[in-house]
Amino acid sequence: GAGVSQSPRYKVAKRGQDVALRCDPISGHVSLFWYQQALGQGPEFLTYFQNEAQLDKSGLPSDRFFAERPEGSVSTLKIQRTQQEDSAVYLCASSLRGGLEKLFFGSGTQLSVL
Amino acid sequence: GQQLNQSPQSMFIQEGEDVSMNCTSSSIFNTWLWYKQDPGEGPVLLIALYKAGELTSNGRLTAQFGITRKDSFLNISASIPSDVGIYFCAGHLSAGSYQLTFGKGTKLSVIP
Repeated sequence: GAGVSQSPRYKVAKRGQDVALRCDPISGHVSLFWYQQALGQGPEFLTYFQNEAQLDKSGLPSDRFFAERPEGSVSTLKIQRTQQEDSAVYLCASSLRGGLEKLFFGSGTQLSVL
Repeated sequence: GQQLNQSPQSMFIQEGEDVSMNCTSSSIFNTWLWYKQDPGEGPVLLIALYKAGELTSNGRLTAQFGITRKDSFLNISASIPSDVGIYFCAGHLSAGSYQLTFGKGTKLSVIP
């Protein structure tokens, strides 16, 4: 497809479960970002990849959060032992190079932890 | 972390009216960006601003990068129903950072 694709669209997890969220960036885009958007808030930065290298993970809220992009294209955000405060929309964005002004966002995965 | 104060939080306007919203920060930003987010979708870039004092238009939208580099505003002229959505300002703090800092958004409702 032409845009950033995220799956699943919705995810319901019981507290304590592990979840994996997938992002397919636009083909050829070098940079990939993950953001977390709580209800009624703006997106908050989680992590950044340039190709397969994770250059910034300072926004990950705890060591339960882990992201990877092993071949420099598809990325997975994994959350272990989910907690209720993890409930949010997780947005993936990509850009052709590193330019933050040319970010293309996916529609997000809405995670609900019960 | 860095915070952007965006106002107003929400607004209801009549179709055809002009709209103004703004964002302020205690920190200096290199770049200001304005996004629109529709329900169930990711943010879409509207306007990017790169220099203090810069005034940029995109159709009915006009945005300015404040002289102090700590604020920005977005104006929408002659609003139409499809302008409904949440508008976010976002700032890029420095050249070595990969992070965008977002405001909390302005929810715009347009009454036909």
